[in-house]
Amino acid sequence: DGGITQSPKYLFRKEGQNVTLSCEQNLNHDAMYWYRQDPGQGLRLIYYSQIVNDFQKGDIAEGYSVSREKKESFPLTVTSAQKNPTAFYLCASSPGLAGRASLRDEQFFGPGTRLTVL
Amino acid sequence: AQKVTQAQTEISVVEKEDVTLDCVYETRDTTYYLFWYKQPPSGELVFLIRRNSFDEQNEISGRYSWNFQKSTSSFNFTITASQVVDSAVYFCALSEGTGRRALTFGSGTRLQVQP
Repeated sequence: DGGITQSPKYLFRKEGQNVTLSCEQNLNHDAMYWYRQDPGQGLRLIYYSQIVNDFQKGDIAEGYSVSREKKESFPLTVTSAQKNPTAFYLCASSPGLAGRASLRDEQFFGPGTRLTVL
Repeated sequence: AQKVTQAQTEISVVEKEDVTLDCVYETRDTTYYLFWYKQPPSGELVFLIRRNSFDEQNEISGRYSWNFQKSTSSFNFTITASQVVDSAVYFCALSEGTGRRALTFGSGTRLQVQP
């Protein structure tokens, strides 16, 4: 089955520690995205990558870092510089520019990782 | 800058009632895409519909229907004969036709359908 997997589902971190959230997709999509969701709010874009070995900051990139060494993987590191990291993190992918025009901008989401800082 | 507004924070209806979720958007792009997603308690986002800015035809899919009106920058979502399983948070989102193509989300509307 094609899809997006995120691990772990729940993650606890002590203050001052870095932590990495995993996102893997087997949809052969070029573009991948990380969003953050806070209670009662919509999703906000952290980072995105339209192609392997390239990524760009989104609207709330401070305190986060990413890498895109493989097409199927887009891990997100939450660093100690992130002041309020407790949130629900969602990864998404889309076919990107190479996809069929009708599907190019449709984003498929993973199940999410709920991060809590203790 | 793009913006999506979902003014209804929470709506509560009784099963079998019809309910409309409002979505108003702002963008300077002439080419853009509008989406609705459903987020059940599990947290995963479920895609419901995608509409491009050149297609103002309304769409119906079973009990779901969408009304896109460029003149009022609105993309409203109606559930007919609501069911308890429709209880979820619903998000409206907008993506630009060029550039990063990431989604700009509204703050969501929590729909509770009472039996």
